[in-house]
Amino acid sequence: NAGVTQTPKFRVLKTGQSMTLLCAQDMNHEYMYWYRQDPGMGLRLIHYSVGEGTTAKGEVPDGYNVSRLKKQNFLLGLESAAPSQTSVYFCASSYGGGVPYEQYFGPGTRLTVT
Amino acid sequence: GIQVEQSPPDLILQEGANSTLRCNFSDSVNNLQWFHQNPWGQLINLFYIPSGTKQNGRLSATTVATERYSLLYISSSQTTDSGVYFCAVEGSGTYKYIFGTGTRLKVLA
Repeated sequence: NAGVTQTPKFRVLKTGQSMTLLCAQDMNHEYMYWYRQDPGMGLRLIHYSVGEGTTAKGEVPDGYNVSRLKKQNFLLGLESAAPSQTSVYFCASSYGGGVPYEQYFGPGTRLTVT
Repeated sequence: GIQVEQSPPDLILQEGANSTLRCNFSDSVNNLQWFHQNPWGQLINLFYIPSGTKQNGRLSATTVATERYSLLYISSSQTTDSGVYFCAVEGSGTYKYIFGTGTRLKVLA
């Protein structure tokens, strides 16, 4: 099993450009999450999903949109990138019928907005 | 919302030393995890421990949910233990994990 994968690993955007980050998991997990991590800080929740077709806002949702059209995929979109969105983005998934809420993380996407 | 505080913020150890990291949370929680973020940025699951005590090799963890804290013990530390240790908690019925700001550990050879 690949676990949680993220695409791309690195990206540089100009202010105002748009992009989509893809998260995929092969563990049949119900819940998926997008976090951002700024230098020297912990992770902050952007959006999350508790099942296919559902999404909800986390702590810092402004400037981002998400979609969960398939159970295994969770997309994070930036419609008009700003320098304040320079960060490392992590995706996570949990709840596959075993240990209910243990989260597993992807390797991260490093995004720079100039 | 629930607040998560970790202490100490920074810790420097000589190889072979023991340490205790603490995580305090402000409200009752359903779930609690400890993670290690290595120097390459990867987040590694250490323990899923909403209550009780667990051990895995040189690491062990204890959560006392009624007193709203969790402890991570590292014994006989090695240079590969360096990195940032995060505690994350899920408040009751929220489906969301909230992370602490972490303890940055450096183990010197």
